Amino acid sequence: EPEVTQTPSHQVTQMGQEVILRCVPISNHLYFYWYRQILGQKVEFLVSFYNNEISEKSEIFDDQFSVERPDGSNFTLKIRSTKLEDSAMYFCASSQGDRSYEQYFGPGTRLTVT
Amino acid sequence: GDSVTQMEGPVTLSEEAFLTINCTYTATGYPSLFWYVQYPGEGLQLLLKATKADDKGSNKGFEATYRKETTSFHLEKGSVQVSDSAVYFCALRSGYSTLTFGKGTMLLVSP
Repeated sequence: EPEVTQTPSHQVTQMGQEVILRCVPISNHLYFYWYRQILGQKVEFLVSFYNNEISEKSEIFDDQFSVERPDGSNFTLKIRSTKLEDSAMYFCASSQGDRSYEQYFGPGTRLTVT
Repeated sequence: GDSVTQMEGPVTLSEEAFLTINCTYTATGYPSLFWYVQYPGEGLQLLLKATKADDKGSNKGFEATYRKETTSFHLEKGSVQVSDSAVYFCALRSGYSTLTFGKGTMLLVSP
């Protein structure tokens, strides 16, 4: 069964460094998402992406964040200058369509900022 | 704004016990409701869903009924197995593509 994959599974970085989290969505999916979960808190929506542009974003997704689909298979989340509070589990998801279509999630990348 | 509240975990049960994980929500309009499950080392998987009031979602022995009057979507299973040990997330989607999740409830089932 096709699945969403994410790399790395765990990333440790120092405050102020840039990180790129990578996701490979399911190949025939058109919508892509990033969510995050800070330890002990809720899973929160960050951004959705369709047709090579952001379709929705939350208040969390500020100028420090960016997303890209660089090569037609990968979907990346970049954090320009990490802060301690960016430490979280980051989930990528993809779906065939909008709204009524199921979102398929990857296993997550645990980001630890020291 | 939209929000989901689910019971704190962990929930610890013996095999074959009855499971209930409570979930209540606040949303505008008529949201769709979901339960996702995350097994260790894996991504969130859709377990079941309900798209309108009084709908019952069911899968793998789990059930949840969309109760508009109590704004609830409690997850139940009559007889849990060790393999059901996982984290369960209640979520809603109210008209847009994004999902609003609860914090998740860890279920631990012992033999």
